[in-house]
Amino acid sequence: DTAVSQTPKYLVTQMGNDKSIKCEQNLGHDTMYWYKQDSKKFLKIMFSYNNKELIINETVPNRFSPKSPDKAHLNLHINSLELGDSAVYFCASRAGPAEAFFGQGTRLTVV
Amino acid sequence: DQQVKQNSPSLSVQEGRISILNCDYTNSMFDYFLWYKKYPAEGPTFLISISSIKDKNEDGRFTVFLNKSAKHLSLHIVPSQPGDSAVYFCAASVYGNKLVFGAGTILRVKS
Repeated sequence: DTAVSQTPKYLVTQMGNDKSIKCEQNLGHDTMYWYKQDSKKFLKIMFSYNNKELIINETVPNRFSPKSPDKAHLNLHINSLELGDSAVYFCASRAGPAEAFFGQGTRLTVV
Repeated sequence: DQQVKQNSPSLSVQEGRISILNCDYTNSMFDYFLWYKKYPAEGPTFLISISSIKDKNEDGRFTVFLNKSAKHLSLHIVPSQPGDSAVYFCAASVYGNKLVFGAGTILRVKS
C-alpha cells in the first residue's frame, strides 16, 4: 500500500496547455510538499502545506497553483505550460521534524 | 544560494569496501540532517538521519557523522554492495521546516 502516491507518472503536453498532478498520502501527516527536480537534478521546494494551509511558497510563478482539499491531498495545477516547466515533480509528506516520504515523481515534458 | 552542498558529483567504490559520501552546509540554524537514496524513475527514499545534538548515528551498514563546528556531515556505507548504487542526497532542515537538499552524489559500487 503506497504511502505517498502521485498521478500521473508521466505527462507529455503542449505549450500553453493547463495540467494537474495529483498527490495523496495515507500516512496521516499534517505537512505536504511539492518539490521540483530540474535538469541539473537539484531538488527544490516549491510549496509546503500544513493542515491544508499554505506555509511556504518559494517564489514559484503564479501559473503554479497548489490546492489542498484535505490534509491527505495536495494537488498541483499548472496553467499556460512553458518549455521550462519540463522537470520531474515530487510530492512529499512529513510529520513534524521527522523524515519526509516522497512519491514516485511525475515526469512532465512540455513540447 | 546553496545552503547544502555535495561537492562530489560521483563516487566509484569496489564491492565490500567503504563508501564515504560528504555534505557541507552553511546555515548554522539547521538542526536535523538526513540522507536519501534515489534510484532512477523513483522518488527519494529515506535512509538515515541525525539530530544536531548528536555526532553519530548508526543503522546497520549505514552511519552518519556530524561535525557541527565544520558544518560537515558524512555518510559511511560499510560494506558497500552493488545494490547501493544510486544517487544519494543530503538534506537539512530547521525544526520541521522545509527540507533543503544538496545536488546529490552518484554512487557506483562495482562488483
